[in-house]
Amino acid sequence: GEDVEQSLFLSVREGDSSVINCTYTDSSSTYLYWYKQEPGAGLQLLTYIFSNMDMKQDQRLTVLLNKKDKHLSLRIADTQTGDSAIYFCAESDYGGATNKLIFGTGTLLAVQP
Amino acid sequence: NAGVTQTPKFQVLKTGQSMTLQCAQDMNHNSMYWYRQDPGMGLRLIYYSASEGTTDKGEVPNGYNVSRLNKREFSLRLESAAPSQTSVYFCASNEGPQPQHFGDGTRLSIL
Repeated sequence: GEDVEQSLFLSVREGDSSVINCTYTDSSSTYLYWYKQEPGAGLQLLTYIFSNMDMKQDQRLTVLLNKKDKHLSLRIADTQTGDSAIYFCAESDYGGATNKLIFGTGTLLAVQP
Repeated sequence: NAGVTQTPKFQVLKTGQSMTLQCAQDMNHNSMYWYRQDPGMGLRLIYYSASEGTTDKGEVPNGYNVSRLNKREFSLRLESAAPSQTSVYFCASNEGPQPQHFGDGTRLSIL
């Protein structure tokens, strides 16, 4: 079945760039997403990319997609302590009425002041 | 601007008790979803509803039932709670290929 994998933990210093990586197995993925979860909260959509794109930039966030290697990354520039959270990668194969998501296990980003 | 609202936020049950988790969205979305989140396992899909009047099983449906009461509301029922169902439950909704919007979750403990 489909699978999405992420490393469990990343620690960076405030002001540095963070790069969170994700690999997926479903070659028919249509959309790939990054969600952020702060402690005790729900999931907040950060950004998403359509599978025919290589890159998407949104302020401090840059998403890179290597479709050949099925590799997705999220770069956060000038990382702040408020960026400390769990980041989830997810993929979907939109083929009709619903857009079911397959999630990775999440990467805990710890930002040191 | 409520988005997706889940109730209750917290609940403690005893093994064998039943409970219904409520979810409502005010974005006029056709599709709604229930996930559970367990440590180290990400979110797993329990059930989903593509539109009012339809429901389908996800990855981990055993021990759960759902009802799509109307376009706004999608409830999740545990008929006989088990300790293995201790988890955080998230409801989400979306329209077509658009991203899913999530509620704040229900934290459920079963003793």
